[in-house]
Amino acid sequence: DGGITQSPKYLFRKEGQNVTLSCEQNLNHDAMYWYRQDPGQGLRLIYYSQIVNDFQKGDIAEGYSVSREKKESFPLTVTSAQKNPTAFYLCASASPSQQETQYFGPGTRLLVL
Amino acid sequence: DAKTTQPPSMDCAEGRAANLPCNHSTISGNEYVYWYRQIHSQGPQYIIHGLKNNETNEMASLIITEDRKSSTLILPHATLRDTAVYYCTTRRGTSYGKLTFGQGTILTVHP
Repeated sequence: DGGITQSPKYLFRKEGQNVTLSCEQNLNHDAMYWYRQDPGQGLRLIYYSQIVNDFQKGDIAEGYSVSREKKESFPLTVTSAQKNPTAFYLCASASPSQQETQYFGPGTRLLVL
Repeated sequence: DAKTTQPPSMDCAEGRAANLPCNHSTISGNEYVYWYRQIHSQGPQYIIHGLKNNETNEMASLIITEDRKSSTLILPHATLRDTAVYYCTTRRGTSYGKLTFGQGTILTVHP
């Protein structure tokens, strides 16, 4: 069953702690993306990766870090430097055979306590 | 990418066709029109995309005007499960990079 999985669905973090959000895809897509969505807002790009071992900052990369050691995986770490981390985080991957159409995972809702 | 304009909300009766309009008057020749929808607290779901010709898949039909300045997403037989926020956006077909969503249209399907 092909798709994009994100875990966990809900995540609670204490202030000052780093936390890593998982994103895995078995669609054989080269490109992967992390977005942040705040209530009533659109998407804001955090980081994206076009190929293994390479990634680029998006519009709001400060306070976040990523790695792309495997094609299937693109974990996002929310560090303590991110001042307002409470949000809905969405991972996507893109299909080279469909004009880079992006497909999204179910999302992780992060709440900082 | 072109700016898109959509009505903030629409209603549709279950079983009827839902026609969702989108204006993208500044679209350039190599930009595709994409439609996604998002049900509350879930990730956006890809619906359909097109460049110039009308497109149809198992979910919906996309009608793009000849001048490409506007498009309409058609859900032929709306169900209650189609209640969602529908986003129209544009992207160059070969570009990596961000997807931009506006405010979208809240479609409510009534019994």
